[in-house]
Amino acid sequence: QTVVTQEPSLTVSPGGTVTLTCASSTGAVTSGYYPNWFQQKPGQAPRALIYSTSNKHSWTPARFSGSLLGGKAALTLSGVQPEDEAEYYCLLYSGGVQVFGGGTKLTVL
Amino acid sequence: QVQLQESGPGLVKPSETLSLTCTVSGGSISGYYWNWIRQPPGKGLEWIGYIYSSGTAKYNPSLKSRVTLSMDMSEKQFSLKLNSVTAADTAVYYCARLSAYASGSLDYWGQGTLVTVSS
Repeated sequence: QTVVTQEPSLTVSPGGTVTLTCASSTGAVTSGYYPNWFQQKPGQAPRALIYSTSNKHSWTPARFSGSLLGGKAALTLSGVQPEDEAEYYCLLYSGGVQVFGGGTKLTVL
Repeated sequence: QVQLQESGPGLVKPSETLSLTCTVSGGSISGYYWNWIRQPPGKGLEWIGYIYSSGTAKYNPSLKSRVTLSMDMSEKQFSLKLNSVTAADTAVYYCARLSAYASGSLDYWGQGTLVTVSS
């Protein structure tokens, strides 16, 4: 089964920019994996941010963007706010099933 | 506004069957893929499976032998059964709506319900 890998943790300063990535054990991530990104804060359900690589929901702040970068899916936060401190999960479609990455703990410091 | 609410026992004995129901309100149950996802305490998310409104289901291969999803359109509910549970099945269980296969989004989630497997 596909293994999806994310950075375990990242730290960013307020106002800064950070990119989280999502890799697949089967090879390069393409748009055909329909990458999704979710934000989860402690004690809360995950919240969808990005779907199908780069599409945003109406509730997704403009500072969040999704892309493909160097064979991986990427989530970029530009102008990071303190409230962006959270766990971020990617999700890939692979072989007809959905696979979550292990999550990235983003610290805003 | 679409809302999802999980319900079911919070404690299940080892080797028994975990049963949860998700009730959908504020929107149609037809035409969507209805998912179950779980999260062990302090760990990441794991997709369990989905059931389409037609009744077609797809499961995580690692759980497929123990999972059954079903749907009650008239009650706007879908359900999860996981048999032969062990302590490793202790987790917060979420239900979520997938707006379209693959290209869509898991856009609406329930608040989650903690199920503990213990004697």
